[in-house]
Amino acid sequence: DAGITQSPRHKVTETGTPVTLRCHQTENHRYMYWYRQDPGHGLRLIHYSYGVKDTDKGEVSDGYSVSRSKTEDFLLTLESATSSQTSVYFCAISEPGNTIYFGEGSWLTVV
Amino acid sequence: GQQLNQSPQSMFIQEGEDVSMNCTSSSIFNTWLWYKQDPGEGPVLLIALYKAGELTSNGRLTAQFGITRKDSFLNISASIPSDVGIYFCAGLYAGNNRKLIWGLGTSLAVNP
Repeated sequence: DAGITQSPRHKVTETGTPVTLRCHQTENHRYMYWYRQDPGHGLRLIHYSYGVKDTDKGEVSDGYSVSRSKTEDFLLTLESATSSQTSVYFCAISEPGNTIYFGEGSWLTVV
Repeated sequence: GQQLNQSPQSMFIQEGEDVSMNCTSSSIFNTWLWYKQDPGEGPVLLIALYKAGELTSNGRLTAQFGITRKDSFLNISASIPSDVGIYFCAGLYAGNNRKLIWGLGTSLAVNP
């Protein structure tokens, strides 16, 4: 157990609605990440954070925003959900020099 | 985005057989990681490799960091049904804010 909690674990939402996924860690790790996982694409980095209020884009950041106001929480927001954002979303954490640990995932369906 | 070449894509084996899979890259990495993912769950770290030539074991699992730093191998000995899942490799460059480059996974099925 890497001390990572994702919420919600499952969500169905309508196209055009805003959605926020939350990642909470109890390890006080500096780095936090949001990935999405889709068949044929593997794990793709959406955004990551290297400290409170310090974030940067990953390879598939369009349509997503993030915020990190506290060390323990990293929020992923879909401002206006689209069907292409139906996916499984994983949060991950790490410290410099150490490996990356994943949460259990959040299944999002946009209808 | 960049991805690692992971092979084979899938394997179907008999219980008790040994398994080998590998990942290759055109770039040099400083860290290689191997993960296993079970259905409905997040990837779980199996083995981490930090030095070229390093050979590390975790129970029946053994992984090696290639000498060229462009490849890595994972072996599973005497497979059992609970080895079923998808195995991913990931590489990490030095100084890239810790963004992993991923393989697409090897799906392993074990026939009891």
